[in-house]
Amino acid sequence: GAVVSQHPSWVICKSGTSVKIECRSLDFQATTMFWYRQFPKQSLMLMATSNEGSKATYEQGVEKDKFLINHASLTLSTLTVTSAHPEDSSFYICSARTGSSSGNTIYFGEGSWLTVV
Amino acid sequence: QQPVQSPQAVILREGEDAVINCSSSKALYSVHWYRQKHGEAPVFLMILLKGGEQKGHDKISASFNEKKQQSSLYLTASQLSYSGTYFCGTVKIQGAQKLVFGQGTRLTINP
Repeated sequence: GAVVSQHPSWVICKSGTSVKIECRSLDFQATTMFWYRQFPKQSLMLMATSNEGSKATYEQGVEKDKFLINHASLTLSTLTVTSAHPEDSSFYICSARTGSSSGNTIYFGEGSWLTVV
Repeated sequence: QQPVQSPQAVILREGEDAVINCSSSKALYSVHWYRQKHGEAPVFLMILLKGGEQKGHDKISASFNEKKQQSSLYLTASQLSYSGTYFCGTVKIQGAQKLVFGQGTRLTINP
């Protein structure tokens, strides 16, 4: 089946530094990928839609200058958390959809645990 | 916009049945069901597209009502491995692609 891979699976960084998380579709091309954030015991909240070759579309309340998204190829999207603070510590997870119809399956990456100290 | 799931939590004994509901105030294009274990990514269970549709595999099935505003996930003769948090994700219109999740239902299966 379709596989979406994320890297790193976990990262610890110092406050004020930037962290990049990669999301790759391994056996299919994804023109669109999605980035979610999940705090403990809460639901997955959509942060932004990553579009290959164009700017990402951010959800209301998500700072585009803080969460930089780049979708340079059909198999790779990156999320960079800039000037990270402890409150940015969370589980970040990406997803990608196979096929051209919104009825097709959406697969998730393994997720990345970010801890900012 | 966020679909409403109920109940928020369920505790069962192994072998018992459970129903998890997902409701929207407006008609949806599709509903996706996922199960997430603690510390892991969500795992896809199934997708429903058509009003009145019912589908499933093994002892996990789901339905989508005719108005396409409510979906239910049915877990029969639950197994310990069914424990986790279940999320419904909804797509509002065809081509929109965005998947918005409900708040989740935590299912605990005890021996």
